[in-house]
Amino acid sequence: QVHLVESGGGVVQPGRSLRLSCAASGFTFRTYGMHWVRQAPGKGLEWVAIIFNDGDTKYYADSVKGRFTISRDNSRNTLYLQMNRLRPEDTGIYYCAKDRTLDFWGQGTLVTVSS
Amino acid sequence: YVLTQPPSVSVAPGQTARMTCGGNDIETKSVHWYQQKPGQAPVLVVYDDSARPSGIPERFSGSNSGSTATLTISRVEAGDEADFYCQVWDSGRDHVVFGGGTKLTVL
Repeated sequence: QVHLVESGGGVVQPGRSLRLSCAASGFTFRTYGMHWVRQAPGKGLEWVAIIFNDGDTKYYADSVKGRFTISRDNSRNTLYLQMNRLRPEDTGIYYCAKDRTLDFWGQGTLVTVSS
Repeated sequence: YVLTQPPSVSVAPGQTARMTCGGNDIETKSVHWYQQKPGQAPVLVVYDDSARPSGIPERFSGSNSGSTATLTISRVEAGDEADFYCQVWDSGRDHVVFGGGTKLTVL
């Protein structure tokens, strides 16, 4: 069965960096696009980025464009999110999700940006 | 592109809950719906307007016409209580867009 496990979250000061990972199993990772979606405490879902299966086509939400980079390693079945110049408003749970319909989600990893 | 959902919907057990999602020309887009219970990750309950993933009860159904997409839950149970989000792909900006979410309360 499909399994997505995020890791890499934690507490970080504003302006610093963090890299999240999403380990995938149970499906042919290299054939699916993947997303990052975040949720601030008590708020709704906010889409962050998508990477297509080719690894070259990527799109970002305006709120993170130029600061975050999505990437993937199809040989390791792993999705990444490099987050630079972090801001307090980036605080939240970060989920990875599979395919255009976001049909499977991981349990999320918590990122807290605070001094 | 903006998707508009009512903040809350309340329904008694056994009744039918209808949650709407409005957007410009939404009938031309494929709408997906997610259920999120407290402390859990979202779960896809309807995709491509009206299709149901494996394991989702037939009580969950969707439609999309007349500038409004609708998620309908028949014979509502206490365990259906959750936040529900609609989502589309904005092809003009190559972005995923979520609605603000509707909190379903089972009275």
